[in-house]
Amino acid sequence: GAVVSQHPSWVICKSGTSVKIECRSLDFQATTMFWYRQFPKQSLMLMATSNEGSKATYEQGVEKDKFLINHASLTLSTLTVTSAHPEDSSFYICSARAWELDGYTFGSGTRLTVV
Amino acid sequence: SQQGEEDPQALSIQEGENATMNCSYKTSINNLQWYRQNSGRGLVHLILIRSNEREKHSGRLRVTLDTSKKSSSLLITASRAADTASYFCATVAAAGNKLTFGGGTRVLVKP
Repeated sequence: GAVVSQHPSWVICKSGTSVKIECRSLDFQATTMFWYRQFPKQSLMLMATSNEGSKATYEQGVEKDKFLINHASLTLSTLTVTSAHPEDSSFYICSARAWELDGYTFGSGTRLTVV
Repeated sequence: SQQGEEDPQALSIQEGENATMNCSYKTSINNLQWYRQNSGRGLVHLILIRSNEREKHSGRLRVTLDTSKKSSSLLITASRAADTASYFCATVAAAGNKLTFGGGTRVLVKP
C-alpha cells in the first residue's frame, strides 16, 4: 500500500530558529501533498496544499513567509517553520493521495516544541 | 477552516457495545471519509463514501451519508479496547481535492 514517511517525528528547537519537516511518498508519486496542523485534543487544520513544481496554496490565515513549503519532486515536500516561536509548537502532519487508493495516506506526524 | 462538527465530542462505552458518531458538513461534497487517529500518531483511512452512495460497510464499520441533511454517521459494532482512538470525518469538496476535517470524536472502549 501507499506509504508516506514524515521526518522528524519530534523536534525541539529554540525560539528564533527554523525547523524543516520532510514528507516523502515512498512507493507512489504525489503531485499534490497537504500540510496540516493539530493542537492537542483538536482536529486537523489544513495549512496549505503543496504542488509539485509550483507554489503552494495557503489557507486563509496561514502566513506564507512563516511556513515555507517546497515541493521539488514528485515524492518530496518540505515544510519549514521559520523564526519559530512557542506558539508554533504543535503537531504537524502531511498527507498525499495515491490515485489507486480511496483515501489519503498520512505521515506519522511531527511534534514541534519551541522553547 | 473546518468543514463541520462531529457529535459527540467524546464517547465512553464497554467492550462489545456499539459506538455511533455523527458528522455534519457545510458544502457540497464529492465524497466523505472517516479516519482514525491513535493518540499522538498519524491518521489511518477507514472508509470512503461517495456523494451518490447512502450506506457502506467495511468489516465492523458501517457508514451512512445523507446529502440532503449534509450529515454522515459512523457505526462501530462489537467494539474492542483496540478501537479506542479519535475518529474524524473529512470531506472532499465537489470541486477540488482538499480534505477538510470535522472536529473529531474521542472514543474510549473500556475492557
